[in-house]
Amino acid sequence: QVQLVQSGSELKKPGASVKVSCKASGYTFTTYAINWVRQAPGQGLESMGWINTNTGNPTYAQGFTGRFVFSLDTSVSTAYLQISSLEAEDTAVYYCARDIRYGSGTYFKYYFDYWGQGTLVTVSS
Amino acid sequence: SYVLTQPPSVSVAPGQTARITCGGNNIGSKSVHWYQQKPGQAPVLVVYDDSDRPSGIPERFSGSKSGNTATLTISRVEAGDEADYYCQVWDSSNDHVVFGGGTKLTVV
Repeated sequence: QVQLVQSGSELKKPGASVKVSCKASGYTFTTYAINWVRQAPGQGLESMGWINTNTGNPTYAQGFTGRFVFSLDTSVSTAYLQISSLEAEDTAVYYCARDIRYGSGTYFKYYFDYWGQGTLVTVSS
Repeated sequence: SYVLTQPPSVSVAPGQTARITCGGNNIGSKSVHWYQQKPGQAPVLVVYDDSDRPSGIPERFSGSKSGNTATLTISRVEAGDEADYYCQVWDSSNDHVVFGGGTKLTVV
């Protein structure tokens, strides 16, 4: 069965960096892209972007450029999210999710069929 | 950028029908997907491509669209359906995913 298992909670000080992992199993890792979604405390879901697991090419959503880096280790079917220069506003649960995409033009379909359990990153001095 | 508008909350009695709306400009031309998120848990896909259900999702969950509004309908609501629900589309104008703000369903 398809599973995405994320690394555990992190407590970091402002200015530090954090690296969250997302290990996939139950399917061929390079067949589907991995997306990252942020959820701040008490807030909604926010797409951060995705990484092509075949080429390693990342695509970042607006607001997630510069300090955010998506990467892969295909040898262990794992995707990573690294955030540098952490700020209090980065405190959130970060989810990885596999996407399904097909179609073209206005009929392009893109949704998330499997999600990781989430990783809480807390930034506090 | 594209905006999806959901009501912050919907309340329904057990056994009744809940309807959660998602408004967006020209949403009729987009494929709409819905997620259920219970407290402390990851989101779960409950409807994709406007009205299809993934395997394992009860038939009580259904999706539809009319005009500039998509609707998630939950029939015969149970206490276990209490959760936050999010709609989502692909914004082709800037090639990114957009989520609605979420609706908290309360079963009273």
